[in-house]
Amino acid sequence: QLQLQESGPGLVRPSETLSITCNVSGSSIDSGGYYWGWIRQPPGKGLEWIGSVYFSGRTYYNSSLKSRVTISVDTSKNQLSLKLTSVTAADTAVYYCARERPPYCGGDCYPDYWGQGTLISVSS
Amino acid sequence: DMQMTQSPSSLSASVGDRVTITCQASQDIGDYLNWYQQKPGKAPKLLIYGASNLETGVPSRFSGSGSGTDFTFTISSLQPEDIATYYCQQYDYLSQFGPGTTVDIK
Repeated sequence: QLQLQESGPGLVRPSETLSITCNVSGSSIDSGGYYWGWIRQPPGKGLEWIGSVYFSGRTYYNSSLKSRVTISVDTSKNQLSLKLTSVTAADTAVYYCARERPPYCGGDCYPDYWGQGTLISVSS
Repeated sequence: DMQMTQSPSSLSASVGDRVTITCQASQDIGDYLNWYQQKPGKAPKLLIYGASNLETGVPSRFSGSGSGTDFTFTISSLQPEDIATYYCQQYDYLSQFGPGTTVDIK
């Protein structure tokens, strides 16, 4: 059974870089043609898609975050990662990783399996 | 830029009521529209994909319809376990979620 588990620092200082990893188990990240994505949710607010990555390294990003975001995969560890630079309090959110389908969807994907999320707070 | 709107933003209904939520896209997205359910403290759950297709294992009281720019999500008979926030999501122009509709029991 596919499972995704995010891990992050919990607290990040303003202007620093947020780094989160997502461990995928139950399936290989480089099989099946799936994209793997990140979605965030500020406390009490709605969902914001951040971006997605294919095992080859092909990425798609939300235009509003594109200048600060890097999403990557490590197939040897079956992990995907998110880096967000120059964070502010507005980046405080629960960050979810997710598998996206259908296979080979490119930029036309949607999440089906989600991790439980990890809360990242930005504060000095 | 693509804009997604949902209405109402919240609603209260009685157990057994029919509940309808609408979602509007600012551009034609065909049937590239999904509906998710999110309960407090939990990750969203996919209920409807491709505007009208029921995800495996999801009760048949949930349904979706529409195409182009206007979409509807319906719970045919509201159950206590349906208390949640519901989000539409378009995936024709990358991915974007609607603002959500909170459903409560009257």
